[in-house]
Amino acid sequence: NAGVMQNPRHLVRRRGQEARLRCSPMKGHSHVYWYRQLPEEGLKFMVYLQKENIIDESGMPKERFSAEFPKEGPSILRIQQVVRGDSAAYFCASSPRPARGYGYTFGSGTRLTVV
Amino acid sequence: GESVGLHLPTLSVQEGDNSIINCAYSNSASDYFIWYKQESGKGPQFIIDIRSNMDKRQGQRVTVLLNKTVKHLSLQIAATQPGDSAVYFCAEKISSYKLIFGSGTRLLVRP
Repeated sequence: NAGVMQNPRHLVRRRGQEARLRCSPMKGHSHVYWYRQLPEEGLKFMVYLQKENIIDESGMPKERFSAEFPKEGPSILRIQQVVRGDSAAYFCASSPRPARGYGYTFGSGTRLTVV
Repeated sequence: GESVGLHLPTLSVQEGDNSIINCAYSNSASDYFIWYKQESGKGPQFIIDIRSNMDKRQGQRVTVLLNKTVKHLSLQIAATQPGDSAVYFCAEKISSYKLIFGSGTRLLVRP
């Protein structure tokens, strides 16, 4: 059973381009969580999605960022018109149900560099 | 601290010694806590967890202590090994699904 798969592992974008980060949850998991990690800092919650629904996007910047988790396929975190401050590691985690009472498993992340 | 981009605090220990990593949490209502280990270039890896109705929990070579009075967690690693070198984060669960991460401590193990 593969873990949470994220791709690409590394992504370089020029300022103004779009970045699309993909997350395939563990088999049977229908709940996905995205976190962002700036260098030398802890992870910060961005968004929680179930299949086809955004449950909590309180950690997402109001502009340029969006997330989806379609019925089929991976969850996508999309950043439009990237700026240097978007450079960070973006981690995805998944769970089979709302992760009450336990932690969840993270993927290896996508490291976005904006040049 | 690290939340404004300063360097992580670093704990340097001799191989074979015990390590103690400390963490302060913010929300007195949090009822579940986790320690994660993050190696360079990887995602956080679960180490051990503890619920707020406990003050101590032991795993293999690791022990977590919880002091709710002062909102403090510690992770103790016995007989530290080179493979323990990593950044360690505590996390508190503030809702059924949301984790708040601490700022991390880098553990360096000297051979």
